[in-house]
Amino acid sequence: GQNIDQPTEMTATEGAIVQINCTYQTSGFNGLFWYQQHAGEAPTFLSYNVLDGLEEKGRFSSFLSRSKGYSYLLLKELQMKDSASYLCAVSDTGGFKTIFGAGTRLFVKA
Amino acid sequence: DTGVSQDPRHKITKRGQNVTFRCDPISEHNRLYWYRQTLGQGPEFLTYFQNEAQLEKSRLLSDRFSAERPKGSFSTLEIQRTEQGDSAMYLCASSLGPGQSVGYTFGSGTRLTVV
Repeated sequence: GQNIDQPTEMTATEGAIVQINCTYQTSGFNGLFWYQQHAGEAPTFLSYNVLDGLEEKGRFSSFLSRSKGYSYLLLKELQMKDSASYLCAVSDTGGFKTIFGAGTRLFVKA
Repeated sequence: DTGVSQDPRHKITKRGQNVTFRCDPISEHNRLYWYRQTLGQGPEFLTYFQNEAQLEKSRLLSDRFSAERPKGSFSTLEIQRTEQGDSAMYLCASSLGPGQSVGYTFGSGTRLTVV
C-alpha cells in the first residue's frame, strides 16, 4: 500500500529554523518531492531527492534516507511568507504518478 | 508561456448535473495529470496522460468521471451526475517526461461546489 506521514501542524518563530519530517511506505520509489502550498493556491515545487543525502537550495534544504523511508525539509531564517502547507510526495516506479501526503501546515509567528 | 491554465476557476452546480473542466498544460510538457484536493488533505491522484494516451486511472475514479486529451494538447475532465461528495478543488498539472527533477507545474485549479 501507499502511506505518507507528516505532522499536521507546526509553529515556529520568524528568523528561526524548522524541520518538517516525512516518512513513507510506497510500493515503488522514483524520487521524493517537497511542495509548498499557500492557502487557496496551487502547490509549487520546492525540491526533489532521488539519492540519499542533503540537497540545499537557498534557505531550503531537503534530506532523504531511502533505507529508512524518511525525508525532512529544513527551512532556515524563517519569514512570515513561509506560512503555508508543505507537502511531501513520492513518485512511483517509472515516475508515472506522484502520491502526496496530507501536508504540514506551518505557522510562522513574529 | 504563462504556465498551466484551468477553466473555470469556480463552478457551482446542482446535484445530478454534469460538469466539464478544461486544462491547458505548458506547451512542451507531454505529461498531464489530474488531481483532486479537499480541505486539509494533499492532492489525490485521479488520472495521467502521456501525450494523448491515458496511461493510468485511479480506482477512486468512478465511471461517472472521464478524462480526455485529444491531440495531446489540452485536457478535459467530465463529471456526470455530480454528487455532493464531488465538491473539491480539481488540480491539473503537467511535466516534462521522463525527467523528474523539476516536479510538476500545477494550474490554479477549478473549485467545484455541488449543492
